[in-house]
Amino acid sequence: ETGVTQTPRHLVMGMTNKKSLKCEQHLGHNAMYWYKQSAKKPLELMFVYSLEERVENNSVPSRFSPECPNSSHLFLHLHTLQPEDSALYLCASSPLGRSSYNEQFFGPGTRLTVL
Amino acid sequence: AQTVTQSQPEMSVQEAETVTLSCTYDTSESDYYLFWYKQPPSRQMILVIRQEAYKQQNATENRFSVNFQKAAKSFSLKISDSQLGDAAMYFCAYGVSGGGADGLTFGKGTHLIIQP
Repeated sequence: ETGVTQTPRHLVMGMTNKKSLKCEQHLGHNAMYWYKQSAKKPLELMFVYSLEERVENNSVPSRFSPECPNSSHLFLHLHTLQPEDSALYLCASSPLGRSSYNEQFFGPGTRLTVL
Repeated sequence: AQTVTQSQPEMSVQEAETVTLSCTYDTSESDYYLFWYKQPPSRQMILVIRQEAYKQQNATENRFSVNFQKAAKSFSLKISDSQLGDAAMYFCAYGVSGGGADGLTFGKGTHLIIQP
């Protein structure tokens, strides 16, 4: 296991449910990311946080709502999802600074199924 | 916008043999990073190897090495002496330089099968 954890690992929800995904990093990094991984498609960047401020939102539907209360924790709040939102959601973190090489460390992901 | 293309959805190699995974990318930047990540079944994505675009020397990490051709925008991964534990999805990724918080751009991945 790397220093990035995600809970839950699996989630099944109905389209009217509200749920949250949690990510925690123990690496002392200051940047955190949400990616969506669907079958046969490249990883899609969803959100980027730098020093707890959102710096990028890649045209993600409003039914996905991120939250970064501190540099170690990242949440993805889900509501009124669609079946096509079923995917593996990956959290990643990285250090900031020119020596960081932009190397990102990934969590194990949450496998989301929307019924 | 940057794009990353992996043209081999699946590759198969005999154990102990050598295999090369292909990756091409498109960018207008001169300074950037390239990565190969490995994602074993039901396990976390981990970094295999990294290349800085300003370095001409190809990166190596034990059995893993890259062939970085900057002018051709090509970044292939060579795995020598393949082992059963190398079986996984391999993703090529592009990252900007500068030290800020920037997402990586990934290819679709190559599924590597190791035949015993």
